[in-house]
Amino acid sequence: QVQLVQSGAEVKKPGSSVKVSCKTSGGSFGTYTMNWVRQAPGQGLEWMGMIIPLLGTANYAQKFQGRVTMTADKSTTTAYMEVRSLRSDDTAIYFCARGRKTVLGVWGQGTTVTVSS
Amino acid sequence: DIQMTQSPSSLSASVGDRVTITCQASQDINNFLNWYHQKPGKAPKLLIYDTSNLEPGVPSRFSGSGSGTHFTLTISSLQPEDFATYYCQQYENLPVTFGGGTKVEMK
Repeated sequence: QVQLVQSGAEVKKPGSSVKVSCKTSGGSFGTYTMNWVRQAPGQGLEWMGMIIPLLGTANYAQKFQGRVTMTADKSTTTAYMEVRSLRSDDTAIYFCARGRKTVLGVWGQGTTVTVSS
Repeated sequence: DIQMTQSPSSLSASVGDRVTITCQASQDINNFLNWYHQKPGKAPKLLIYDTSNLEPGVPSRFSGSGSGTHFTLTISSLQPEDFATYYCQQYENLPVTFGGGTKVEMK
């Protein structure tokens, strides 16, 4: 049974960066995509982008282009998502989700990122 | 970006009720439409993919239909564990976009 295990909650200052990890346990990256979806408090789901770990290629939503970097380490089956220049409206739960293309079948438990001065 | 509009935004129902949620896309998405539900404090869970395919392990009371720009999720007999927020998601084009959600509450 594949599980995605994410890193713990973070509290950050505006203007700083955060890097969230997502480890695949019980399986390999395979040919799946790894997607990142965030959810602001009380709000809906927002897709940030995805990476194909096998190839190392990433595709970002326009909104996050230039401020977000997604990477993957095949040796440890761990995906990472870094957000730079954090603002208060980046406060959200960040989920990783493994996809068949972008059919998101397996999700991590979520990582709460709080941006506050 | 493709806009996904769900309705209603919330509904009240009782155990045993038949529940239908609709999702409208701003353009034809060629049936690349998935449904998820999310319980408070938990990650979303995939229910239906490609409009009408039940994800393994999902109860058969869930079904999906539609084509082009108009899609529906039906729960044939609502169970206590089905009270949650439901989201549709298109993946015809990047960026992937989600509907705003439908909260199913107990009447």
